Amino acid sequence: GENVEQHPSTLSVQEGDSAVIKCTYSDSASNYFPWYKQELGKRPQLIIDIRSNVGEKKDQRIAVTLNKTAKHFSLHITETQPEDSAVYFCACNTGGFKTIFGAGTRLFVKA
Amino acid sequence: DGGITQSPKYLFRKEGQNVTLSCEQNLNHDAMYWYRQDPGQGLRLIYYSQIVNDFQKGDIAEGYSVSREKKESFPLTVTSAQKNPTAFYLCASSTDLGSGEQFFGPGTRLTVL
Repeated sequence: GENVEQHPSTLSVQEGDSAVIKCTYSDSASNYFPWYKQELGKRPQLIIDIRSNVGEKKDQRIAVTLNKTAKHFSLHITETQPEDSAVYFCACNTGGFKTIFGAGTRLFVKA
Repeated sequence: DGGITQSPKYLFRKEGQNVTLSCEQNLNHDAMYWYRQDPGQGLRLIYYSQIVNDFQKGDIAEGYSVSREKKESFPLTVTSAQKNPTAFYLCASSTDLGSGEQFFGPGTRLTVL
């Protein structure tokens, strides 16, 4: 069935360094790939998304890349700050009502 | 902080009891969803609703039930048939197409005593 694998499960970086989170998906019909950030005790919120007709998208310090051939996409956070500490979820959707989420990556940014 | 709300924030249930979690949205979204979140796992879909009076089972619907009598409301009942109900429950909504942002509620933490 449909599946999204997310790595790593935990990531610790020094403030100012970059962080990269990778996801692979199984359904080649997937065409929408959002990333959600969930701070401790709060609701997940969309931080960036990409559609299948685009290979890369950037928004200030965050960027997402998509390789449809290899069926993987990645989140890149540059110049990390303590407030970036959170759980990040990747997800994919085939255009229907079901979105498949990865298991999450807990990012720690050490000051 | 409107948009989508859930109540209560914390809920305690004795074994054998049914409980209902509330979810309301004022975003005029057609689609609504219920997810379960357990530590170290992603969000797992319980039920979703595309439109009023219609809903579909997700991946882990056993032991849960829903209704969608109004566009704004999508309550989730956790029945006694759910063997391991202690979890964090998130409600979400989106516009009519699935390939768009989902807006999440603040969640309800359910604990079975």
